Amino acid sequence: NAGVTQTPKFRVLKTGQSMTLLCAQDMNHEYMYWYRQDPGMGLRLIHYSVGEGTTAKGEVPDGYNVSRLKKQNFLLGLESAAPSQTSVYFCASSYGVTDRPLHFGNGTRLTVT
Amino acid sequence: RKEVEQDPGPFNVPEGATVAFNCTYSNSASQSFFWYRQDCRKEPKLLMSVYSSGNEDGRFTAQLNRASQYISLLIRDSKLSDSATYLCVVSITNAGKSTFGDGTTLTVKP
Repeated sequence: NAGVTQTPKFRVLKTGQSMTLLCAQDMNHEYMYWYRQDPGMGLRLIHYSVGEGTTAKGEVPDGYNVSRLKKQNFLLGLESAAPSQTSVYFCASSYGVTDRPLHFGNGTRLTVT
Repeated sequence: RKEVEQDPGPFNVPEGATVAFNCTYSNSASQSFFWYRQDCRKEPKLLMSVYSSGNEDGRFTAQLNRASQYISLLIRDSKLSDSATYLCVVSITNAGKSTFGDGTTLTVKP
């Protein structure tokens, strides 16, 4: 069972460069999420989606964009990377209501120099 | 004030000890509650859901106190393998998102 798959696993960017993180889930989940986790802190929600074609801002959306063109995929884009975006990024998915647990991908470790 | 607050610890306990963590939440509309476990910056994994009547899974017991707006996690007979960060998660049904606490770090020592 693949579950939630994130690519890439690691990436180093220079300030100003752009990149896209891909999240794919094969569980037919409606909800998908992008979180970031900084040292000593919990997960903070960047953006989320409640279904194909929909996205919404989370707690820390600035500097990121997302798209959900297909139900199984949720893309996170950084248009102009900044050192403050150095973090570990986790994608998660869940069934259509939030009383169901989240299933996480393995994470993407991003460093912006 | 953060929506979800946890004592960061660290909690350092010997094997076999009983340890308890609390988590407080500020939004009284919160309806779903979970404990997740996270190892060494790996992805969080569901430990257990927290039900209104309290629930137990082996050595782990979760309790919910809606009046005081907190949930708790009790670990009995701690094992070395219980060493991890425990994350409290609170959701408002149909709000589309969950809020995480910053986590409580547990180290179980021989």
